[in-house]
Amino acid sequence: DTAVSQTPKYLVTQMGNDKSIKCEQNLGHDTMYWYKQDSKKFLKIMFSYNNKELIINETVPNRFSPKSPDKAHLNLHINSLELGDSAVYFCASRSVDSTYNEQFFGPGTRLTVL
Amino acid sequence: GEDVEQSLFLSVREGDSSVINCTYTDSSSTYLYWYKQEPGAGLQLLTYIFSNMDMKQDQRLTVLLNKKDKHLSLRIADTQTGDSAIYFCAESTMTGTALIFGKGTTLSVSS
Repeated sequence: DTAVSQTPKYLVTQMGNDKSIKCEQNLGHDTMYWYKQDSKKFLKIMFSYNNKELIINETVPNRFSPKSPDKAHLNLHINSLELGDSAVYFCASRSVDSTYNEQFFGPGTRLTVL
Repeated sequence: GEDVEQSLFLSVREGDSSVINCTYTDSSSTYLYWYKQEPGAGLQLLTYIFSNMDMKQDQRLTVLLNKKDKHLSLRIADTQTGDSAIYFCAESTMTGTALIFGKGTTLSVSS
């Protein structure tokens, strides 16, 4: 009965590799997000996406790209990984009909780039 | 631009009240939130307040909003060791775009 799930939970990889993190929500929500939490615990939005619009935080390198095969999934692809990409990545989702715009967060994926 | 500020650390004794403060800059914020993150875990919504409210109480939690000063606070009554976590203040606009988070306040509760 998990609401927002992410796989994998941990990802350790070498610099220069390409990797993907998957996110699925079973809440019937129409908007999904990716956030990055750095080593100081600071949380920043990377992308927000619904079936009409992708909004990209201008500070996100174009090595990062979200891909949505359907409304329930928003995967994060990262090309040419760099040391500075090491962080915890959180997926979240929201319903446009939500009374107070609550976002539901996944458990996070800890990415370590060596 | 949008910015949310919080003090980074707060240490209290079990049974005391904790007050975590936050200031924000976006006057168009419609909702303001408090999220809790326990070690190694994701974010859990604790409570929220609509921008036309001054106060909201939910069991041990009291949220105060001073819209004029763009100041938000979270009071936790009878703080327990299980309340030790990072608390994030966040804002969003009516259109429900992404949340803008503060840097988080690490609450440490000693017995």
